[in-house]
Amino acid sequence: GNSVTQMEGPVTLSEEAFLTINCTYTATGYPSLFWYVQYPGEGLQLLLKATKADDKGSNKGFEATYRKETTSFHLEKGSVQVSDSAVYFCALSRESNDYKLSFGAGTTVTVRA
Amino acid sequence: DGGITQSPKYLFRKEGQNVTLSCEQNLNHDAMYWYRQDPGQGLRLIYYSQIVNDFQKGDIAEGYSVSREKKESFPLTVTSAQKNPTAFYLCASSPGTWGRETQYFGPGTRLLVL
Repeated sequence: GNSVTQMEGPVTLSEEAFLTINCTYTATGYPSLFWYVQYPGEGLQLLLKATKADDKGSNKGFEATYRKETTSFHLEKGSVQVSDSAVYFCALSRESNDYKLSFGAGTTVTVRA
Repeated sequence: DGGITQSPKYLFRKEGQNVTLSCEQNLNHDAMYWYRQDPGQGLRLIYYSQIVNDFQKGDIAEGYSVSREKKESFPLTVTSAQKNPTAFYLCASSPGTWGRETQYFGPGTRLLVL
């Protein structure tokens, strides 16, 4: 089935630093790609998504571009805040034409003031 | 407000006891899911349901059971057969069709063994 590989954490940054979290995928067909965020003690929230190649998803200053040629969907933010401290998960459809998602292992990000 | 609710927030289980975690959604979604999350790990799919009165095993169904008698409800029972139940349990829902895979999550239930 389809799968994603995320960069291992934890990642620790200072406020206003640039954040990149790498995500690469293996898939048949053209699945939708997602980034979810989980704040401490909470469930996951959809951060952004892209449904086809070259699409850019964006939300709350975060961006990710669906790159078919490199099978990647890296998450970026230009200037992080303490409130961005969370666990970030990359996800995609499990199989072609499947509505279920497969999640990466998650990357823990801590932003220091 | 549309969303997913889970209860309780914390649940304690004694040895040999079955416990049930509640999940309710008012998003009118057809598909519902249960995931298990262990510290520092990703999400593992326990069970999912695409329609009322039907459900399928996920990757780690042993020691768990579910029911789907109503569209909005998908309770999970952790049975005494689950030998390592301590984890954070997340319920999610989605429209249940390809092309509309976005899943919406509840706040989670943390299960601890006494």
